[in-house]
Amino acid sequence: AQSVTQLDSHVSVSEGTPVLLRCNYSSSYSPSLFWYVQHPNKGLQLLLKYTSAATLVKGINGFEAEFKKSETSFHLTKPSAHMSDAAEYFCVVSANSGYSTLTFGKGTMLLVSP
Amino acid sequence: GAVVSQHPSWVICKSGTSVKIECRSLDFQATTMFWYRQFPKQSLMLMATSNEGSKATYEQGVEKDKFLINHASLTLSTLTVTSAHPEDSSFYICSASPGGKQETQYFGPGTRLLVL
Repeated sequence: AQSVTQLDSHVSVSEGTPVLLRCNYSSSYSPSLFWYVQHPNKGLQLLLKYTSAATLVKGINGFEAEFKKSETSFHLTKPSAHMSDAAEYFCVVSANSGYSTLTFGKGTMLLVSP
Repeated sequence: GAVVSQHPSWVICKSGTSVKIECRSLDFQATTMFWYRQFPKQSLMLMATSNEGSKATYEQGVEKDKFLINHASLTLSTLTVTSAHPEDSSFYICSASPGGKQETQYFGPGTRLLVL
């Protein structure tokens, strides 16, 4: 069994300030972890993924996430928010058992103010 | 690379009619395709998983006779909502995976269905 908890339903930041979106997971297997972004009425875009290689994963648009097994966390960060980052972000876990079923968190809406 | 398209992007239909949504992987062969449903301000819920040439595997609570899935080729899967009702109105998103041990799913842009 696997599950994902996104600790904040909404995060508000000012443009140019750091972003932190929190995610905790549980998995019976060594997990693969993903962050996806969804802009309004759009499909999902993969930001980054962790698949048991380096624990600090760099993604697109300046985002990165660190896999911390001891804390079962995979928080998403960005040093400086941009207005275009405003969107819904989903943390996703996949059991690393060869089958691609994804379990989605409930999402965190990132709001960026000028 | 790894582009997935969906057609149509928007569909409005009358209650009782059937609606077909197409999902295509444009630049790779998708061994496995997935269909998700997303209600407003909620996360994605997996409806079913389909492997090319075989019957889809439906998640618990999803009516297979209501949501017909066909994965006839390595680049095309279709979802047909049969006898649609207003409660079927939702955002339907497909994803495709090249398969093997690669777990990354590439998502389509979604199809918004409104049943009147």
